[in-house]
Amino acid sequence: GAGVSQSPRYKVAKRGQDVALRCDPISGHVSLFWYQQALGQGPEFLTYFQNEAQLDKSGLPSDRFFAERPEGSVSTLKIQRTQQEDSAVYLCASSPRGRINNSPLHFGNGTRLTVT
Amino acid sequence: GESVGLHLPTLSVQEGDNSIINCAYSNSASDYFIWYKQESGKGPQFIIDIRSNMDKRQGQRVTVLLNKTVKHLSLQIAATQPGDSAVYFCAENQERFGAGTRLTVKP
Repeated sequence: GAGVSQSPRYKVAKRGQDVALRCDPISGHVSLFWYQQALGQGPEFLTYFQNEAQLDKSGLPSDRFFAERPEGSVSTLKIQRTQQEDSAVYLCASSPRGRINNSPLHFGNGTRLTVT
Repeated sequence: GESVGLHLPTLSVQEGDNSIINCAYSNSASDYFIWYKQESGKGPQFIIDIRSNMDKRQGQRVTVLLNKTVKHLSLQIAATQPGDSAVYFCAENQERFGAGTRLTVKP
């Protein structure tokens, strides 16, 4: 069956541009997570949605980062006024149950953002 | 594809040997632990998980050990194959990932 799909696969932005990264989770999955992965490091948690509700955004590094999941399925991570330190792979993951139930995550292949 | 983990700790083993990858975690209140495998250019892939009320769990060719006293987690891979070459991450609950270990299997 279809897994988690992320687009675009690669994105090059000039410093100061806004970008929007899309995540299509597995159909019916309640939980959706966004992570940032810098080269040579593990994924860093950004934000969590349970259906359409953003229950945790404690990992967002600044107010330039904004995420939404308006209908409880597709999610978009938006970064405004991109800076070079935003260059990373952005991973989306979904899970069939709520976070409190602790279940394995299904990850997409990520969007590699390069800010020049 | 892009390379993940250029400066990670590395483990190099011969095909057919057993591999042990270790991970220390930080939060004594964590109650769920997961091992993921990440190949170059791909997202992490679930391998095995364990809850804090257990100290060992076995899957196909993989075993996870949990030592809550010293906050240590390990992943054992039996009869390692070239296809096992990847970066391996442990994660606490669903939020805190370790730095990762690059496993290279020599044929």
